[in-house]
Amino acid sequence: GAVVSQHPSRVICKSGTSVKIECRSLDFQATTMFWYRQFPKQSLMLMATSNEGSKATYEQGVEKDKFLINHASLTLSTLTVTSAHPEDSSFYICSSGQIEAEQYFGPGTRLTVT
Amino acid sequence: KQEVTQIPAALSVPEGENLVLNCSFTDSAIYNLQWFRQDPGKGLTSLLLIQSSQREQTSGRLNASLDKSSGRSTLYIAASQPGDSATYLCAVRINTNAGKSTFGDGTTLTVKP
Repeated sequence: GAVVSQHPSRVICKSGTSVKIECRSLDFQATTMFWYRQFPKQSLMLMATSNEGSKATYEQGVEKDKFLINHASLTLSTLTVTSAHPEDSSFYICSSGQIEAEQYFGPGTRLTVT
Repeated sequence: KQEVTQIPAALSVPEGENLVLNCSFTDSAIYNLQWFRQDPGKGLTSLLLIQSSQREQTSGRLNASLDKSSGRSTLYIAASQPGDSATYLCAVRINTNAGKSTFGDGTTLTVKP
């Protein structure tokens, strides 16, 4: 069964609003989770590394004030897309897993900004 | 910076054919390499995981190999079926405390009946 869940699976929002995506590890405690973004017909690009109890680490070119990450517990990380615009429409996927072991990916959240 | 390349970008084969997908990476300091399948509009399905100390892994009609020193991995699919049509992604997990993954751009496979 799934070891990483995401909610919601699909969301449509208006331009200028904020959207929160949740990522939960179901079978283990995750001190680190990863957030990826996938644009149509492209591969997954790492956005940030979410660290439990501390600040997230963002990849180059990813705006930390626009993509807010909170990892308040060992089983939950949230990604908030603030003031969303149509160009933020994408497929967002989180992952987790013990270091040196398999990474488990969530089912993804499809965000459409109108 | 780790870079992952997958060749070919697209592949079309008749049903029943054996085929090989290629993945290459630039930095050999990795924890593991994982092959995924992604159907259109869907999430990732993990196919095979190869640890850095391993040479290959097999699951059913799939066989993945890893040559860490040369920075290469292959995914071999035997007796392909139309249901194998999908995009195949390889992901390399780097050897650091965070262990984040870098993905290739994928190979889109079409198996014709």
